[in-house]
Amino acid sequence: DARVTQTPRDKVTEMGQEVTMRCQPILGHNTVFWYRQTMMQGLELLAYFRNRAPLDDSGMPKDRFSAEMPDATLATLKIQPSEPRDSAVYFCASGTGLTGELFFGEGSRLTVL
Amino acid sequence: KQEVTQIPAALSVPEGENLVLNCSFTDSAIYNLQWFRQDPGKGLTSLLLIQSSQREQTSGRLNASLDKSSGRSTLYIAASQPGDSATYLCAKEGKSTFGDGTTLTVKP
Repeated sequence: DARVTQTPRDKVTEMGQEVTMRCQPILGHNTVFWYRQTMMQGLELLAYFRNRAPLDDSGMPKDRFSAEMPDATLATLKIQPSEPRDSAVYFCASGTGLTGELFFGEGSRLTVL
Repeated sequence: KQEVTQIPAALSVPEGENLVLNCSFTDSAIYNLQWFRQDPGKGLTSLLLIQSSQREQTSGRLNASLDKSSGRSTLYIAASQPGDSATYLCAKEGKSTFGDGTTLTVKP
């Protein structure tokens, strides 16, 4: 049963700490997206990759967020230093191309104290 | 700027009713539109994907339609069940433009 896998599922950390979230896209999918979901803002696109190359990260605060795909089976989203306003659920999704069907992971719930 | 709008924001119906959820988008240049379901504390589950060349897609009790000219998509749920209770989101191109969702409650 192919699915997008995200770790950790829950993370509680203190302000100023580094946080790394990981995503394993569905095998064969060449497009990976990072989203953030909060009650106030809903779902926001942070960044996306196609064939491991970043295509758009304009939704991401550049000074503290970074997203990478070290290989085709791993995408990472790093926050350094973390702030309380970063508290949210971070979702990874994968698909084939920018217009193909999108499949989401279960999300990583981040709480920054 | 809200490119995708979903109305109503919340809907409560008795079990067995047929219902329609609405999704409107401002840009008619659309490749596809995808409907998702999200249960509390969970990720988004893909329900239906309609390509721009299609007018509708069906899966079980669900039927989604797409009208590019009017900038609208509807998700029709037949014979609703309590298990259908969730938040339903639509997304244009499934990439960056999500609606805020309609939270559906089906009462037994």
